[in-house]
Amino acid sequence: QVQLQESGPGLVKPSQTLSLTCSVSRGSISISGYYWSWIRHHPGKGLEWIGYIYYTGSTFYNPSLQSRVTISVDTSKNQFSLNLRSVTAADTAVYYCARRGVAGAFHIWGQGTMVTVSS
Amino acid sequence: DIQMTQSPSSLSASVGDRVTITCQATQDISNYLNWYQLKPGKAPKLLIYDASDLEAGVPSRFSGSGSGTDFTFTISSLQPEDVATYYCQQYNDLYTFGQGTKLEIK
Repeated sequence: QVQLQESGPGLVKPSQTLSLTCSVSRGSISISGYYWSWIRHHPGKGLEWIGYIYYTGSTFYNPSLQSRVTISVDTSKNQFSLNLRSVTAADTAVYYCARRGVAGAFHIWGQGTMVTVSS
Repeated sequence: DIQMTQSPSSLSASVGDRVTITCQATQDISNYLNWYQLKPGKAPKLLIYDASDLEAGVPSRFSGSGSGTDFTFTISSLQPEDVATYYCQQYNDLYTFGQGTKLEIK
């Protein structure tokens, strides 16, 4: 069973860039039909889909975040990454990476990593 | 944007009870609706996809139904390990989630 693990700083200063990496193990990121996604969970609120990337590099972002988000993939390292620019306190959340299958379901998730935006 | 409204926002029930959560979409989403279980510190878990299909390995006490705008998630006999927050998610247009239902044991 494929496993996902998020990594990155737990604290980011306002106006800086939040950078996270998702490492994929027990399977290849370069398999057709899967979309490698980022989702976040604001404290006490609902889940928000950020965007996803295909192993070829094609991306699709949530329009509400599109101006600040870049998702990239490194197939040689079996990893994909999230960059979120110009962060504010509103970006404080648990960030999850997940794999979306051919239907619109996120079948496999990482355990999540808490990121706090604060000076 | 399609908004998803879940109810109730929290729920307390006894072991063995039948538990039902509803999710309503602001427009017709056919059966493009999934259900997840979230526990603190654990990877979220997909339980139901396409409104009523049980994900592999998920106990049969979990089920889902509905189409169009109204959907239901049911636990037929609540177990202690089911304490969690449950979310619906649509994928008819982008991906949006409900606000969650926190389930506790009475």
